[in-house]
Amino acid sequence: AQSVTQPDIHITVSEGASLELRCNYSYGATPYLFWYVQSPGQGLQLLLKYFSGDTLVQGIKGFEAEFKRSQSSFNLRKPSVHWSDAAEYFCAVGAANFGNEKLTFGTGTRLTIIP
Amino acid sequence: KAGVTQTPRYLIKTRGQQVTLSCSPISGHRSVSWYQQTPGQGLQFLFEYFSETQRNKGNFPGRFSGRQFSNSRSEMNVSTLELGDSALYLCASSFEGDYGYTFGSGTRLTVV
Repeated sequence: AQSVTQPDIHITVSEGASLELRCNYSYGATPYLFWYVQSPGQGLQLLLKYFSGDTLVQGIKGFEAEFKRSQSSFNLRKPSVHWSDAAEYFCAVGAANFGNEKLTFGTGTRLTIIP
Repeated sequence: KAGVTQTPRYLIKTRGQQVTLSCSPISGHRSVSWYQQTPGQGLQFLFEYFSETQRNKGNFPGRFSGRQFSNSRSEMNVSTLELGDSALYLCASSFEGDYGYTFGSGTRLTVV
């Protein structure tokens, strides 16, 4: 069975500082990997996804993530955070076969930005 | 283009009642998935419909059911509500179940 671990429940960073959110996955084959962001009272917005190819993936809002198969990780990074980045971030894994596109989510990391 | 629309946004029900939630996907999208989000269990997959057929189902009791209509709109139903069913229910649509999901803002269900 597939699973996702986000070890950090809550992270606080200063505005303008760099950010890295950790994500480790467990899956028997090559996974499809995703990062979503959720603002309070809202649904999920896709930041970026990895299916195959280049292991460094660029997303929206200046985010990027790197797939490391040897470490079963897919960490999210941003070089300089903005106050508007405060939200909850979810890493997710999906099966790489058509007709079985359900996502398994991690428990999320809440990001707080201080001025 | 219009996003995924979920109605109602908020709902309060009493234990033992049943509830129906609605999801209108993005025009042209044929796959609709439902997720439950709670503080304790996080985001959990309920089921996915594709061209009016349930294609995948999560690990939820039979009280949770859904359907999809020919225009791809979907409804989910929860019967005999329990306090633990209080959650944010999210709907997501994609063109062909290709993980190109767009999520709606959700329906917040409170069971009292």
